Amino acid sequence: EVQLVESGGGLVQPGGSLRLSCAASGFTFSISWMHWVRQAPGKGLVWVSGLSSDGSGTTRADSVKGRFTMSRDNAKNTFYLQMNNLRAEDTAVYYCVRGANSAFDIWGQGTVVTVSS
Amino acid sequence: QSVLTQPPSVSAAPGQRVTISCSGSSSNIRTEYVSWYQQLPGTAPKLLIYENYKRPSGIPDRFSASKSGTSATLDITGLQTGDEADYYCEARDTSLDGHVFGTGTKVTVL
Repeated sequence: EVQLVESGGGLVQPGGSLRLSCAASGFTFSISWMHWVRQAPGKGLVWVSGLSSDGSGTTRADSVKGRFTMSRDNAKNTFYLQMNNLRAEDTAVYYCVRGANSAFDIWGQGTVVTVSS
Repeated sequence: QSVLTQPPSVSAAPGQRVTISCSGSSSNIRTEYVSWYQQLPGTAPKLLIYENYKRPSGIPDRFSASKSGTSATLDITGLQTGDEADYYCEARDTSLDGHVFGTGTKVTVL
């Protein structure tokens, strides 16, 4: 079964850090671009960042540059998002997504990140 | 933050047709592929359309899409109660060097 499963979300104070993980299965992870998309409560979808299949290419939204870093372990079929200096506006459901055919074709169920004191 | 503009809501009776527009610019829709996503209440989004008009396996042909210039359109025909959801367009933006989503459209079946 093709699947993405996120973990690592939770409650963190402003200025804190959190690392999200995304476990992939059912497809060839090592040749896939991977992305993070987030959705604040009651709001729309916002693309956050993307990482190439070998980890050499990255793109990020301006709102997270300098604070969020992606990495991947192709041997473990796992994708990560390291989030530092978190702000209240980072509060959202974070989705791990596969990029293919110029689209986002596989989505995880999401993990909730809440930034609050 | 959204640079793709959609109507907030559209509605129609069961069996009827709705059209959702997505307005962008030369740095995204005009030059890049457009995708469409359906997000049912409380669930993760699902890919409906990729590369402007193509449907993934399992998506019924009641869903169709097109693109012209800096705008794209999603059509849903034979509307069903199960189609009640939020719909988003998406494209890569060459000026931003990233991806952008539309503002989202809520479809209501009357």
